[in-house]
Amino acid sequence: GNSVTQMEGPVTLSEEAFLTINCTYTATGYPSLFWYVQYPGEGLQLLLKATKADDKGSNKGFEATYRKETTSFHLEKGSVQVSDSAVYFCALPDTGRRALTFGSGTRLQVQP
Amino acid sequence: DAGVIQSPRHEVTEMGQEVTLRCKPISGHDYLFWYRQTMMRGLELLIYFNNNVPIDDSGMPEDRFSAKMPNASFSTLKIQPSEPRDSAVYFCASSSGARKNYGYTFGSGTRLTVV
Repeated sequence: GNSVTQMEGPVTLSEEAFLTINCTYTATGYPSLFWYVQYPGEGLQLLLKATKADDKGSNKGFEATYRKETTSFHLEKGSVQVSDSAVYFCALPDTGRRALTFGSGTRLQVQP
Repeated sequence: DAGVIQSPRHEVTEMGQEVTLRCKPISGHDYLFWYRQTMMRGLELLIYFNNNVPIDDSGMPEDRFSAKMPNASFSTLKIQPSEPRDSAVYFCASSSGARKNYGYTFGSGTRLTVV
């Protein structure tokens, strides 16, 4: 079935540093791809999505480009803030059912 | 809209006791999902419903777990009897099938501790 692999965390950065969180996927066809974010003590929130190859999703300064050649959907932000500290999940639809499969999550810690 | 509402936020119970987790989805959403989150296994889909009907319960760990959705505005996840390995955060999420973007809305979760 479809699956995603995320880089291990935690990722620790200083404020205003550049962020990359890697995500690669295995899938049948070209499903939509998603990034969700989980702040401490909260549920997951949709951060951005891309629905087809070469699409770029963006939100709150975060971006990710759907690259079918490398089966990747890496999350990037040019200048992180302390408030970006959270756990980030890459996700895609399960094979044959209307549910999402999530990666293991990558914890980001931004220090002032 | 108040979002997806889960209760309780925290539950501590003794091994062997029955536990019931509750979820109110967003009005108008026709899909409801139950996920479990642990450090070891990450986010696991337990079961999901469409129009109150269970579609896939292959993620339910064992017969001790059961889920119901008696109407469009309420769902329960029950564990009977509970065991320490059931300790986790349980999330409910809902979405609209009319939108093909899988835009889930998650609740804040129930943190279950079984001692």
